[in-house]
Amino acid sequence: QITLKESGPTLVKPTQTLTLTCTFSGFSLSTNGEGVGWLRQPPGKTLECLALIYWDDDRRYSPSLKSRLTIAKDTSKNQVVLTVTNMDPVDTATYYCAHRRYGTAFDIWGQGTMVTVSS
Amino acid sequence: DIVMTQSPDSLAVSLGERATINCKSNQSLLYSSDNKNYLAWYQQKQGQPPKLLIYWASTRESGVPDRFSGSGSGTDFTLTISSLQAEDVAVYYCHQYYSGKTFGQGTKVEIK
Repeated sequence: QITLKESGPTLVKPTQTLTLTCTFSGFSLSTNGEGVGWLRQPPGKTLECLALIYWDDDRRYSPSLKSRLTIAKDTSKNQVVLTVTNMDPVDTATYYCAHRRYGTAFDIWGQGTMVTVSS
Repeated sequence: DIVMTQSPDSLAVSLGERATINCKSNQSLLYSSDNKNYLAWYQQKQGQPPKLLIYWASTRESGVPDRFSGSGSGTDFTLTISSLQAEDVAVYYCHQYYSGKTFGQGTKVEIK
């Protein structure tokens, strides 16, 4: 059974860097085809895919946010970390991590973590 | 980016009646090499993460009730709930994973 859980700060100040950790179980990011993505959802709005990382360390980023995002994996800890630099109030959202096999839809999602950007 | 547009934005349906949600993409999601449409549908209930209902446009995820069905190909897709139940109240999103990964704006389904 695959599970994922997001962790990180609930409040960050404008211009700060956000670091979120996704801890997962039920699969390994060293297995061919496996991937983890980070997505976000501002209050009352739709979902946006931010970044993806695959078993072979292939990394994909949202073109509009690419300069601010870094995704990395720690296979030994079953964790994926997302950093977002220069946070702004418009980045206030629930941030989700989700499991994905290469070429398929996101099938299992974490519960999400709400991040508010405010001074 | 591929733009996904859902219609309607919201709908109210009586219990036991059919609910139909449409999703249109601005380019084809049909991949010629495998003849699959890279389109999924999600259900999101209040305060919960999205739940995968349908992938490859018409394949039901394991455990999803058979009152949910997906159809369509290319640029036009439909999610149908054949007999609406109270537990189906949610926002539904279409999602393309053909190129990049984008979502529709969502359709809110309520009980009339």
